[in-house]
Amino acid sequence: KQEVTQIPAALSVPEGENLVLNCSFTDSAIYNLQWFRQDPGKGLTSLLLIQSSQREQTSGRLNASLDKSSGRSTLYIAASQPGDSATYLCAVKFSGTYKYIFGTGTRLKVLA
Amino acid sequence: GAVVSQHPSWVICKSGTSVKIECRSLDFQATTMFWYRQFPKQSLMLMATSNEGSKATYEQGVEKDKFLINHASLTLSTLTVTSAHPEDSSFYICSARSEQETQYFGPGTRLLVL
Repeated sequence: KQEVTQIPAALSVPEGENLVLNCSFTDSAIYNLQWFRQDPGKGLTSLLLIQSSQREQTSGRLNASLDKSSGRSTLYIAASQPGDSATYLCAVKFSGTYKYIFGTGTRLKVLA
Repeated sequence: GAVVSQHPSWVICKSGTSVKIECRSLDFQATTMFWYRQFPKQSLMLMATSNEGSKATYEQGVEKDKFLINHASLTLSTLTVTSAHPEDSSFYICSARSEQETQYFGPGTRLLVL
């Protein structure tokens, strides 16, 4: 069964810290992987999309890496800010499928 | 970037009524649209995939007679929750796939059934 898991479920850090969010998936044959941000009661904001052939993507203070062989992706947030507080979701599109399977999310709280 | 809209953003209804939610791709044509449901503090779960001009494909455990999906054009898909009950209260999110196979997500519709 194709599954996506995110650890930790919740994280609280002081402002300015660098942090890493983890995503693991059960099948290394993926088409792409996407990281989203979701604010409470809101929809999804796409942060980074990594294609199967890529190892990482960067956007501002965010860096996402992909290691298909180990079934892992990490989202690195540098110099965290209170405005980064949100739930971060990892979604994987496995090869041969048309749909994304979402992880359970990591609820991040950055303290001022 | 491409934009997907949903209407309404909020809906409150009485138990037993039907509610229709629209999902539109504003600046691209989407042959495929997806409907997700998210319960509080849980992740998104795919409910069904709709292809323009054909019947939707429902995920296991999703009642097709309760959640009616119509994808009548390349820019519009609708989800109708029939005879809604309190347990149907949830956040419904659609996504649309462009011809370049990129998926764009809508802002979501929060349904509260009293």
